[in-house]
Amino acid sequence: DTEVTQTPKHLVMGMTNKKSLKCEQHMGHRAMYWYKQKAKKPPELMFVYSYEKLSINESVPSRFSPECPNSSLLNLHLHALQPEDSALYLCASSQYRGSNSPLHFGNGTRLTVT
Amino acid sequence: KQEVTQIPAALSVPEGENLVLNCSFTDSAIYNLQWFRQDPGKGLTSLLLIQSSQREQTSGRLNASLDKSSGRSTLYIAASQPGDSATYLCAVPPGAGSYQLTFGKGTKLSVIP
Repeated sequence: DTEVTQTPKHLVMGMTNKKSLKCEQHMGHRAMYWYKQKAKKPPELMFVYSYEKLSINESVPSRFSPECPNSSLLNLHLHALQPEDSALYLCASSQYRGSNSPLHFGNGTRLTVT
Repeated sequence: KQEVTQIPAALSVPEGENLVLNCSFTDSAIYNLQWFRQDPGKGLTSLLLIQSSQREQTSGRLNASLDKSSGRSTLYIAASQPGDSATYLCAVPPGAGSYQLTFGKGTKLSVIP
């Protein structure tokens, strides 16, 4: 079982809907990440939070809005998505935002935009 | 720009065989290299992380090696089992204090009973 928990596991939403993805970890990690993974491709980094502050936004469209309410939680708010946004969304955490901290991934949310 | 290549893209072996997965990277100035496993529709499970100062890391039937000078890493799986079937990805951070992993495209392993 993964130590990073993501909910929901699956989500189907229309292009006019507003939904949120949730991620939780209780390992005391201070860095949290959102990745997007399309089929048969490696994960692509979207956002990085370090000590609950957004430190990296990889030029992600504004229809994706991250939020870090506290050190254990990470949300991704979705609004006015496009069908091409359908993908597996992965949350990850690491002890610190540094290259020597291994990443721990959740099992992801499979998102389908209709 | 760092590029990571994994060969082969897919591999099928009979149960019980030992096997090697390959990972190569273009910029040898890495701090570490991490191997992950991904089951279909699931997240990534970290298998091994090798620091740049290390040559090998072992966990159970898995052994990962790192040769920075040649830009290569291998993941050795001993006595393969059907439960080892998954996609294996390697990833490196591109620079000092960096957060962003560069992933290979993965090797899809099938272990046939």
